[in-house]
Amino acid sequence: DTEVTQTPKHLVMGMTNKKSLKCEQHMGHRAMYWYKQKAKKPPELMFVYSYEKLSINESVPSRFSPECPNSSLLNLHLHALQPEDSALYLCASSQAVREVTDTQYFGPGTRLTVL
Amino acid sequence: DQQVKQNSPSLSVQEGRISILNCDYTNSMFDYFLWYKKYPAEGPTFLISISSIKDKNEDGRFTVFLNKSAKHLSLHIVPSQPGDSAVYFCAATNPIFTGNQFYFGTGTSLTVIP
Repeated sequence: DTEVTQTPKHLVMGMTNKKSLKCEQHMGHRAMYWYKQKAKKPPELMFVYSYEKLSINESVPSRFSPECPNSSLLNLHLHALQPEDSALYLCASSQAVREVTDTQYFGPGTRLTVL
Repeated sequence: DQQVKQNSPSLSVQEGRISILNCDYTNSMFDYFLWYKKYPAEGPTFLISISSIKDKNEDGRFTVFLNKSAKHLSLHIVPSQPGDSAVYFCAATNPIFTGNQFYFGTGTSLTVIP
């Protein structure tokens, strides 16, 4: 089973709203990732959690706030977003065994529209 | 700085023929390469990977070739099927030097014509 699930599938929010994206995996993976993808562009890495600790933050604005409550769950809290933040938000996970080649498995994404 | 490049944004191939998708990279430290397939409004699906100790890896209709001296990899799909129509991303990494970080190419949109 290589399934990563994400909810919601679609989200429309205003610039003053607070919302959260959720990601879950039950593969025993210890690294989880948030990516942002715009149309016709590659996924852009936002955050990496490794063993529930934030290991990479790619200079993402503070209106995006990640949270890793446990090894299976990853949240992305959204507040005061801008219309240009509208994109497909992808979650991924991988085994994160150090110094071993690792494959990331992606969820289906949340299509976010900011009005 | 785009360390992984896919110079062909699109490719059209007749059903049953071979599709060849290309990817170039600049960082010689990369030692693990992957191909992902992506349908519109869906997440990328892992397709096939190759380690730098190999020059070829095959999985059914999909074969990835790696030319380390040229810093080039390619994905061959034989025979191509209409269901293969999607955007294909190559990715590169090195667990020791880049940690969990993957570097993605810009994607090639493949259309297989029935």
